[in-house]
Amino acid sequence: DIQMTQSPSSLSASVGDRVTITCRASQSISTSVNWYQQRPGKAPILVIYAASSLQSGVPPRFSGSGSGTDFTLSISGLQPEDFGTYFCQQSYSSPPTFGPGTTVDV
Amino acid sequence: QVPLVQSGAEVKRPGSSVKVSCKASRDTFTNSAISWVRQAPGQGLEWLGGIIPIFPVVNYAQKFQGRVTITADKSTTTAYLELDSLKFEDTAVYYCARDVGYCKNDNCHTKGDFEVWGQGTLVTVSS
Repeated sequence: DIQMTQSPSSLSASVGDRVTITCRASQSISTSVNWYQQRPGKAPILVIYAASSLQSGVPPRFSGSGSGTDFTLSISGLQPEDFGTYFCQQSYSSPPTFGPGTTVDV
Repeated sequence: QVPLVQSGAEVKRPGSSVKVSCKASRDTFTNSAISWVRQAPGQGLEWLGGIIPIFPVVNYAQKFQGRVTITADKSTTTAYLELDSLKFEDTAVYYCARDVGYCKNDNCHTKGDFEVWGQGTLVTVSS
């Protein structure tokens, strides 16, 4: 199985900050990475798919980049509703696997 | 219309089975796949398997092979996850998610692009 790691595991930021989360795959996975936001007690929400494509309805302050083994999720102009945990996930090969998550405290 | 609606919370004894349902739209059943992902308390996310309802084709994570069964009822556009021989460590929120199905060389698979998620079903295994 492909292992996904994330850093940092948690971060604190202020409203208006730019936040960057990194994700690394244990082998090359092209651009087959998705990013999800999960608020406490809620189901995950897809925010970025295929490494850099913004999911419909997601604000453009979210962006993603990377290919191969290294990926980033950025949030520019952090808003209070952006708190929660962010997971990266690879869909390059089965089984799909997730990173351990990065908790963003606003 | 809410895309995916799951059944309610369950409390089960160790060694028993649980069956969780996921009601989807007809469009999802016709044009998409449905995967099941679980999240133990305070933990990360783990894929159990997925189904392409129109065929149907089912893929399972090797870890759960033999203990999990995923089915789909086209008449009611409902997918089901059944997990047998429950252990304490199966306590988790179980989510269904709309996924993408694809076929290559006559083999069809769920891709693992989880576009929309159900609200989750808490399964508690307790003696």
